[in-house]
Amino acid sequence: QQQVKQSPQSLIVQKGGISIINCAYENTAFDYFPWYQQFPGKGPALLIAIRPDVSEKKEGRFTISFNKSAKQFSLHIMDSQPGDSATYFCAARDGSYQKVTFGIGTKLQVIP
Amino acid sequence: DAGVIQSPRHEVTEMGQEVTLRCKPISGHNSLFWYRQTMMRGLELLIYFNNNVPIDDSGMPEDRFSAKMPNASFSTLKIQPSEPRDSAVYFCASSPLTGGFPRAFFGQGTRLTVV
Repeated sequence: QQQVKQSPQSLIVQKGGISIINCAYENTAFDYFPWYQQFPGKGPALLIAIRPDVSEKKEGRFTISFNKSAKQFSLHIMDSQPGDSATYFCAARDGSYQKVTFGIGTKLQVIP
Repeated sequence: DAGVIQSPRHEVTEMGQEVTLRCKPISGHNSLFWYRQTMMRGLELLIYFNNNVPIDDSGMPEDRFSAKMPNASFSTLKIQPSEPRDSAVYFCASSPLTGGFPRAFFGQGTRLTVV
């Protein structure tokens, strides 16, 4: 049972396009929502994160949009580049237990 | 800073054998996490420690799995006996905040294959 549902599982985007990855959750105890980026053969690395009292956070070409009422959040990668090709994980932290649950991951391929 | 160091990077073992995975967290970090990654289940938290003390081991799949953190600079994850379904990539991560996962740093992982 996935507490954090992530889609799509794979995504192909042309260079310069916008990559969009969506996540949904049910647990209202989640209080922090990070996104991780993982390259082949490497461990995940924190990319950007948001708290539920904020509707949007932007860092460079990466933007998180957060809809608290719908219990959904998404990652937008603007002007996608081949170097962005990686697997992206959304995650959510349960503030009661300090435990983080990951989505299943989205494998992004940006083609020239 | 060398980052989180895991060893070995790859391990191939026969079913029934004991496997020990090792992790050296970043110096000064006081939280340590063990994760397992598979295609089917994604990233699963197995156990985490704060200040060398196990806080939550509810993700440890079976009694065959055990983890220790004898000091602030070393942790092990042991599987005894190993089974083919244990094949996965095991990650160790450390964080500078007690319970503050979002700033955790991951190691490069140990790819375990049990045949």
